[in-house]
Amino acid sequence: DAGITQSPRYKITETGRQVTLMCHQTWSHSYMFWYRQDLGHGLRLIYYSAAADITDKGEVPDGYVVSRSKTENFPLTLESATRSQTSVYFCASSEIQGETQYFGPGTRLLVL
Amino acid sequence: QQQVKQSPQSLIVQKGGISIINCAYENTAFDYFPWYQQFPGKGPALLIAIRPDVSEKKEGRFTISFNKSAKQFSLHIMDSQPGDSATYFCAAREETSGSRLTFGEGTQLTVNP
Repeated sequence: DAGITQSPRYKITETGRQVTLMCHQTWSHSYMFWYRQDLGHGLRLIYYSAAADITDKGEVPDGYVVSRSKTENFPLTLESATRSQTSVYFCASSEIQGETQYFGPGTRLLVL
Repeated sequence: QQQVKQSPQSLIVQKGGISIINCAYENTAFDYFPWYQQFPGKGPALLIAIRPDVSEKKEGRFTISFNKSAKQFSLHIMDSQPGDSATYFCAAREETSGSRLTFGEGTQLTVNP
C-alpha cells in the first residue's frame, strides 16, 4: 500500500540496549524526518534528510543515529537507550520544497 | 529554543461552541504557517495552512487568522463538534529551510457533547 509506514508500532526495551526504528515511504519523497512527541514539548525534530545519503541534525539529536542509503527508508537507531528516550516517535516525509509533511502512525517506545 | 509558542495547552469546549488556539513566533523569516490535527494513536495530518500575505483563511468550520505585525496566528474552530476532539499543533517554516517545520507544543482539544 502507498504511504508511510513505521515499524515496530510498539517496543519495550531496557536501558543500554540498541534499538532501531524503521520508516518506509512509497512516494519517493526527497525529505524525511524523525520527531519525538512528549507531553508539553510537542513535536521535536531529531534528524532529517533532504535526500539519500544526506542527513542533518534537528533540535534533539543526542543519543540518536540515522542513515539513509535508499530514498524510501530512513531508520532511526538509539545506540544505547536511556529512560529519557521513552517517547512516541514519528517519521514524516515531504516532497522537495514541499509544504506538507506526511506522518507515519508512530512508534511507542518504552525504555525500562 | 522554542520558536513557536502555542496556547493553551488544553481546551474544553461545549458542542457548538468556538474553539480558539493561539500561536506566537519570533522568527520573521517564517513564510508558511500550517496547522496539524492529531487523533489519538495516529500521526498528525495537515488541517489548514496560511501564508503571511493574507490575514485570514477559511476552510469549512476552520479559520486561520494571521497578524503579521504581532507575529501571531490562531486557529478558530466554529460550531465545534465532538469529532473535533484531538491535539492541534501550529507550525512554521522558514523559507530557506526547505521542508523543515518548527512545531508548537500542541493543544489538546476536548469538545463535550
